[in-house]
Amino acid sequence: DGGITQSPKYLFRKEGQNVTLSCEQNLNHDAMYWYRQDPGQGLRLIYYSQIVNDFQKGDIAEGYSVSREKKESFPLTVTSAQKNPTAFYLCASSFRTGALNTEAFFGQGTRLTVV
Amino acid sequence: AQSVTQPDIHITVSEGASLELRCNYSYGATPYLFWYVQSPGQGLQLLLKYFSGDTLVQGIKGFEAEFKRSQSSFNLRKPSVHWSDAAEYFCAVGAYSGGYNKLIFGAGTRLAVHP
Repeated sequence: DGGITQSPKYLFRKEGQNVTLSCEQNLNHDAMYWYRQDPGQGLRLIYYSQIVNDFQKGDIAEGYSVSREKKESFPLTVTSAQKNPTAFYLCASSFRTGALNTEAFFGQGTRLTVV
Repeated sequence: AQSVTQPDIHITVSEGASLELRCNYSYGATPYLFWYVQSPGQGLQLLLKYFSGDTLVQGIKGFEAEFKRSQSSFNLRKPSVHWSDAAEYFCAVGAYSGGYNKLIFGAGTRLAVHP
């Protein structure tokens, strides 16, 4: 079945560590996105990529990094510079690159907790 | 600035009762509007979308939404709620903001269903 796979589902990080969240899609979508979800705040865009080897900062990119070496993969690294990383992270993809009327498909999310 | 407001943080309805979730948007151009649903600990699933044409759009799971330009609203409705509809609902608008196209999400409305 086509879809977006995020792993792991739960992730625990010690303060000062970098962690990488995986996102893979087999929908043949060009565009991929990372969102952060906090209670009562909706979804906020961290990074997005419209094509392989290219990505752009979203609204809250500080403390995060990404890469897009393959069309199918868009991993997110939460660095030690991110001051409040505990959140639910959602990866999404869309067929058309960044068009306003493009439906986004979402993965199941990764819950990151700093311990 | 572009924004989406969902005035109700929590709503509780009885099973079988009708439902209306409110969504107001602020966007200067023709809006592209979406409703997504999120079950606990899961990703987002698209319920329906409005791009143009008939202002009453039908979605999955028996949901519909009506676009009212004069009121800048895109309210979600269902005639008879089922217990399985308990989830969080997000309204979103496709917008050009900060130099790129993106989805702007509301803060969400959490729906509880009493048996």
